[in-house]
Amino acid sequence: GQQVMQIPQYQHVQEGEDFTTYCNSSTTLSNIQWYKQRPGGHPVFLIQLVKSGEVKKQKRLTFQFGEAKKNSSLHITATQTTDVGTYFCAGRKWDSGGSNYKLTFGKGTLLTVNP
Amino acid sequence: NAGVTQTPKFRVLKTGQSMTLLCAQDMNHEYMYWYRQDPGMGLRLIHYSVGEGTTAKGEVPDGYNVSRLKKQNFLLGLESAAPSQTSVYFCASSQGFGLFFGSGTQLSVL
Repeated sequence: GQQVMQIPQYQHVQEGEDFTTYCNSSTTLSNIQWYKQRPGGHPVFLIQLVKSGEVKKQKRLTFQFGEAKKNSSLHITATQTTDVGTYFCAGRKWDSGGSNYKLTFGKGTLLTVNP
Repeated sequence: NAGVTQTPKFRVLKTGQSMTLLCAQDMNHEYMYWYRQDPGMGLRLIHYSVGEGTTAKGEVPDGYNVSRLKKQNFLLGLESAAPSQTSVYFCASSQGFGLFFGSGTQLSVL
């Protein structure tokens, strides 16, 4: 079945340093989404990327979708303590029946920030 | 506007007991999902529904059943709980874009 691999599993940074998490799919995706989950909280939708090579920015966060639509990355510039949490990518793929309802989540990257 | 509401928030069961988790959304979303989250395993899809009266299996459906009798509600049932079902359960709804998650149910099976 479809697999979405995410690295690294953990990342600890000093406040002000940059952070990047990478997501790779075994199959071509129709789109990819990113979520953030604060400790003890629930996942919160951040963004969806659809087009090959797409780049989107949200303040200090930059999201990229690879040309082959099999990989994606999330980059945070100058991390802050409010960025602490687990970042998940989730890939959506058209299945054989033509439906597109299921997301496959990566295992997430836990980011901790030392103030 | 409450979004996605899950009840209960915590529950402890003994092996073999049954229970139902309730998920309610007030956003008129067509799609609803049940995920479980275990340490180091990410979010795994149990069952999902693409509309009232429909359900389908996800990645890890064994030991669970679901029903979507009303558009706003999605119920997850455990007929005979097992320790392997100890987990955090999240319900989510969507209208085809991002998922909106509930706050989760922490379930322990002893």
